[in-house]
Amino acid sequence: QSALTQPASVSGSPGQSITISCTGTSSDVGSYNLVSWYQQHPGKVPKLMIYEGSKRPSGVSNRFSGSKSGNTASLTISGLQAEDEADYYCCSYAGSSTLVFGGGTKLTVL
Amino acid sequence: QLQLQESGPGLVKPSETLSLTCTVSGGSISSSSYYWGWIRQPPGKGLEWIGSIYYSGSTYYNPSLKSRVTISVDTSKNQFSLKLSSVTAADTAVYSCARGWWGHYYMDVWGKGTTVTVSS
Repeated sequence: QSALTQPASVSGSPGQSITISCTGTSSDVGSYNLVSWYQQHPGKVPKLMIYEGSKRPSGVSNRFSGSKSGNTASLTISGLQAEDEADYYCCSYAGSSTLVFGGGTKLTVL
Repeated sequence: QLQLQESGPGLVKPSETLSLTCTVSGGSISSSSYYWGWIRQPPGKGLEWIGSIYYSGSTYYNPSLKSRVTISVDTSKNQFSLKLSSVTAADTAVYSCARGWWGHYYMDVWGKGTTVTVSS
């Protein structure tokens, strides 16, 4: 079980859209529509932003959206805002009730 | 409102066993809808799933930690616990507990986390 692969960093200007990729294998991301995304501000608790690939919890802005193609899941944030600057982690079901996280992506809003 | 609170020693010596407890308040740990998990984050690094437990006691562990991890549940106290044996400096991290949705495998409520340092 290897960690999912995410870019170390992405950046964008306010109002722009960015996409964070999360690449796994046919044993995790590719086999299940069970990818979740978490936002973590420095020193804070991770916050669930997307679950089951594309579903948003109540209270999460519709600027956040999720998708999947093959072994790669993606998180797209549209209309970037300063408050979106944070670390983002993907997490996938990997079978047998186990989970695997991505290495995390630092989003900088320029 | 469901809350989770981690507790346990903040300093553990190398080769000893790290022991933490997560107390669940505002809801029952015995609900069949949820599982309860442990996640850690070493300083400056990413999140790592340690393992999960269902209220029935069924456990699921990260394969890379499986030989050293034990997670247990005490439904009478609405708590679940983590034991990690033979710790080294690499186990220094913020340890967090979380609630997950059974069958859906996402975690929607997290504890604030507790820092555990492994040092002599």
